[in-house]
Amino acid sequence: AQSVSQHNHHVILSEAASLELGCNYSYGGTVNLFWYVQYPGQHLQLLLKYFSGDPLVKGIKGFEAEFIKSKFSFNLRKPSVQWSDTAEYFCAVNDGSARQLTFGSGTQLTVLP
Amino acid sequence: EAGVAQSPRYKIIEKRQSVAFWCNPISGHATLYWYQQILGQGPKLLIQFQNNGVVDDSQLPKDRFSAERLKGVDSTLKIQPAKLEDSAVYLCASGLGDDTEAFFGQGTRLTVV
Repeated sequence: AQSVSQHNHHVILSEAASLELGCNYSYGGTVNLFWYVQYPGQHLQLLLKYFSGDPLVKGIKGFEAEFIKSKFSFNLRKPSVQWSDTAEYFCAVNDGSARQLTFGSGTQLTVLP
Repeated sequence: EAGVAQSPRYKIIEKRQSVAFWCNPISGHATLYWYQQILGQGPKLLIQFQNNGVVDDSQLPKDRFSAERLKGVDSTLKIQPAKLEDSAVYLCASGLGDDTEAFFGQGTRLTVV
């Protein structure tokens, strides 16, 4: 069974700091990769996704992620965070055979004004 | 477009009671998912439907959980009898197909006392 690891459980940054959240997955075949975000009191929303092509994908609100197949990683980055980026971030993987979306345990990001 | 609708938003029940949650997916979405999200963890897939057929229910505790999606549109998830460890947020999501993104509802927060 596939698994997704997010090593940072809670990250605290000051505004304008750069962000990188780690995500590693276990499945060795073709995968689709996602980052979802959950703002306080809101539902899970898609931040960005990778299906194929350019391994550097850009999402909403200035976020981007890089797929590195050799490292089984899909790290999320943002050059300068804002207070409004405070939220919980989930990495998720969908592989064709399992036909299900498997989530990591999430990373709570707190941005201090 | 209208999002995924779930009800109720909150539910408190005593252990051994039964409870049901309802989900209305985005119109035209063939795939419907039910996830369980325990505090501090990522969402865990309980069951996945494609139209009104079950694609994956391998992580559904079938001795107490049941789900149906009559007519391939809305769906209900039932727990009977509930246990303390069932306290969680139950998320419904829908999508166009296996390899596309899932759109999430607000969730139902269940507290079993």
